[in-house]
Amino acid sequence: DAGVIQSPRHEVTEMGQEVTLRCKPISGHNSLFWYRQTMMRGLELLIYFNNNVPIDDSGMPEDRFSAKMPNASFSTLKIQPSEPRDSAVYFCASSLRGTDYLYGYTFGSGTRLTVV
Amino acid sequence: EDKVVQSPLSLVVHEGDTVTLNCSYEVTNFRSLLWYKQEKKAPTFLFMLTSSGIEKKSGRLSSILDKKELFSILNITATQTGDSAIYLCAVHAMAGGTSYGKLTFGQGTILTVHP
Repeated sequence: DAGVIQSPRHEVTEMGQEVTLRCKPISGHNSLFWYRQTMMRGLELLIYFNNNVPIDDSGMPEDRFSAKMPNASFSTLKIQPSEPRDSAVYFCASSLRGTDYLYGYTFGSGTRLTVV
Repeated sequence: EDKVVQSPLSLVVHEGDTVTLNCSYEVTNFRSLLWYKQEKKAPTFLFMLTSSGIEKKSGRLSSILDKKELFSILNITATQTGDSAIYLCAVHAMAGGTSYGKLTFGQGTILTVHP
């Protein structure tokens, strides 16, 4: 298995531009999570999906952020318009959700976003 | 709101030293506590702890959970330069009123091991 695949690995964009981050979860995993990591705030959960349905998006900073999961093998996180304070590493993770436990919680390699 | 606090935030030691990293938490509907190691890229899984008092061990790393006092420690003995990384603690808890769980991470401890 190739693991969780994220693209692009690095993104540099100008303030005001739209940015789209992509994630392919591990095949068979039914939960997908988007995290943002900064030195100041650590790893913050933005949104998570179970069986392609958004369950909790309370971590999404504001309306400029949106996420979709059109099918079990693909998700996007979009920022429009982007701002310098959005600069961070964005991680996608997937897992198999059991009754009480999240099994095999695996992170992708992340997308380093820089907004200038 | 679920909260996970790690200490210290950073630690500098020499090879061969033993270190103890701390993680305390305040969550409702606790299910498990996980430790991750993050080097240059994505966090990689170390341990999952669900029961109090049972030590998990992997080589020079070990971890234990105290569900009464709501904390966990991660020990690394005979540290090596390759242990330099960010160590992340995360707690899996079920969201109130739902059957869905999520991981809440602490800030991490930055460990630097000098030769």
